Amino acid sequence: AQSVTQLDSHVSVSEGTPVLLRCNYSSSYSPSLFWYVQHPNKGLQLLLKYTSAATLVKGINGFEAEFKKSETSFHLTKPSAHMSDAAEYFCVVRETGNQFYFGTGTSLTVIP
Amino acid sequence: EAGVTQFPSHSVIEKGQTVTLRCDPISGHDNLYWYRRVMGKEIKFLLHFVKESKQDESGMPNNRFLAERTGGTYSTLKVQPAELEDSGVYFCASGRASSYNEQFFGPGTRLTVL
Repeated sequence: AQSVTQLDSHVSVSEGTPVLLRCNYSSSYSPSLFWYVQHPNKGLQLLLKYTSAATLVKGINGFEAEFKKSETSFHLTKPSAHMSDAAEYFCVVRETGNQFYFGTGTSLTVIP
Repeated sequence: EAGVTQFPSHSVIEKGQTVTLRCDPISGHDNLYWYRRVMGKEIKFLLHFVKESKQDESGMPNNRFLAERTGGTYSTLKVQPAELEDSGVYFCASGRASSYNEQFFGPGTRLTVL
C-alpha cells in the first residue's frame, strides 16, 4: 500500500534561511516521488521528481530533494528562502499504477 | 503551450442542485485525471481517462458523480444531486500517453455546497 506523510502542516522560516519540508512515504515497490507547489489561486506546479535515477534531485527555483530508501524519506530543501516561496507544498508518490497519492500538504510561511 | 484550464474557478450551489465542472487538458494529452481535495484532507484521485475511455474510476465516491470525456478532448465532471460533503477543490491533470509520471495540473475548481 502506498501512503505519504508530510510531517509538518505548517513551517515558518525567515527570509534568507534554509527551508526543510519533510516527507516520508510507504511503498511496496520502487516508487516515483514528486514535490508539487501551489501558490494562492494557482495550479499545482511540479518542483521536482525522482524516478529511480540519481537520488539527489534538483528542481526549479533552487529546491532539491534527496531520496533515502533506508529512511523512506524524500525531504525537500532550499538553502535560502525567498518571499516568493511562500505557498503550500505537496509530497506525492506513485508506485506501479496511474494514481498519484498526495500528502496532506505543508504550508510554508516566509517571514521578512 | 497553454496549460490545463478548469471552469469555473469557483461554484457555490445549494444542496440538491447539480453542478458541472469542466477541464480542458493540454492539447495532445491523452491522459486526463480528476482529483479532489476535501477541506483539511489530502488530494485524492477520482478517475483517469485515456482519450475518451475511463481507464480507472476507482476513486469516484458514489454514483452522484459522473465524468465524461466525449471525443477525447475536454472532460466534464457532474455532481447530481450535490451534498454538503462534496464541497472541496476539484483538480484536473493531463499528461501524454507515454508516462503516468507526467501529470500537469490545472488551478482547480472550488466547489461550495450550502
